[in-house]
This record gives sequence, structure tokens and C-alpha cells, in this order.
Amino acid sequence: QKEVEQDPGPLSVPEGAIVSLNCTYSNSAFQYFMWYRQYSRKGPELLMYTYSSGNKEDGRFTAQVDKSSKYISLFIRDSQPSDSATYLCAMRPTGNQFYFGTGTSLTVIP
Amino acid sequence: DAGVIQSPRHEVTEMGQEVTLRCKPISGHNSLFWYRQTMMRGLELLIYFNNNVPIDDSGMPEDRFSAKMPNASFSTLKIQPSEPRDSAVYFCASSLNLGNTIYFGEGSWLTVV
Repeated sequence: QKEVEQDPGPLSVPEGAIVSLNCTYSNSAFQYFMWYRQYSRKGPELLMYTYSSGNKEDGRFTAQVDKSSKYISLFIRDSQPSDSATYLCAMRPTGNQFYFGTGTSLTVIP
Repeated sequence: DAGVIQSPRHEVTEMGQEVTLRCKPISGHNSLFWYRQTMMRGLELLIYFNNNVPIDDSGMPEDRFSAKMPNASFSTLKIQPSEPRDSAVYFCASSLNLGNTIYFGEGSWLTVV
């Protein structure tokens, strides 16, 4: 079993829709949770970062962590065509190793 | 400020040839990571350095892969000899003191034919 599982999609939504992206994990030692956005032929860029359980909001983006269920989510409100990208979740225990999901490809249709 | 700079951006080489990928981390960052990304396996950590010292190279797939960081502003990842299964995007990333915020370069797209 992989440390981090992420549905690869692809996910296609109309502009303005609410998007929900999810990851599950198996390691209860994970403490730090991140979402990266990767545009085509570019490197991943950090979008959101949360520590332990709870929600964090940044503009149209909300990151949610449920450690009891080992489940994290990224919600995008009022999705825009510029949000079209691959979204990778990443997690980390207190050590130095990052564990990445394989990414979900999102297309927002104008 | 310049981000993480990688070269070459694209490389096509024949099986058996040596490949050298280069990375310049963000100025002031003292932690450097090499990742490989494929469709099947996603992002895999190959090796990381802290203060120019290799800390964990357990992700390096085999002895054909080697990485060096001779100084704080330069690192190389070498594959010798290269094989078609090494075809992937190789990312270099850097951070400050192994922090949670790591910054990726734009990647080196390697094709071994």
C-alpha cells in the first residue's frame, strides 16, 4: 500500500464550480500537510500548508485535514480556467521525508 | 529573486550515455532535494542534502545514479550509463533548514532512447 493515495482524475468542471480534491494516507505519524499546484511542463508550487487537523482558508482555496480518518481535502470555490493544473498533496511526519500523492489533473472549462 | 534553476531543460540521449543534470538552489537555502517524476510513480525523492552534505540517498534507484553538492550554490545528478527506463522529469528543489516550504525548479525533461 502506498503511503499517500490520490485519485489521478482527470477531473473536468465548468467555470464557477466548486472543486473538491482529496487524498488519503496510511501513516498516522504525518503532521504536516501540503497542497502543490503544477501547471503543464512546470515544477510544483506550494499552494497551501496546514499543520495537524483543521481547516485553513486562503482566498478561494480551503484545505481541510481530518487526521482521525487520515483524509485531506482541498476545496476550490468559484473555479477559474487558470486553476486548470495538476494538484498534488504532500505530507510529512516530524522527520525530513516528504510523501507526495501522484496528483489529480483538473480542467476548468470556460 | 531567481528561483531554483535547472539545466538542461530538455535532454535526449542514447542508451549507455552519461547524463548530467545541474541545479542552482535559491540563494540562502541550505537544503536541496532531487526528485524524479513519472506518470506511473509520481514524485519520488532520490536524495537530499543539508548544508552540502548528503543526508538520505535511499531513493537513488541504483549505482548508476550519483549526486554531488560541491558548494552551497550548485548540485549535480549524474546517470551513468543511462537506460530508457530513466526517462522522466527530474526536479531539483530547495528549502531553508529542511523546512516545510520547498521550492521546485522547472525540471529537466530526460528522454533516453
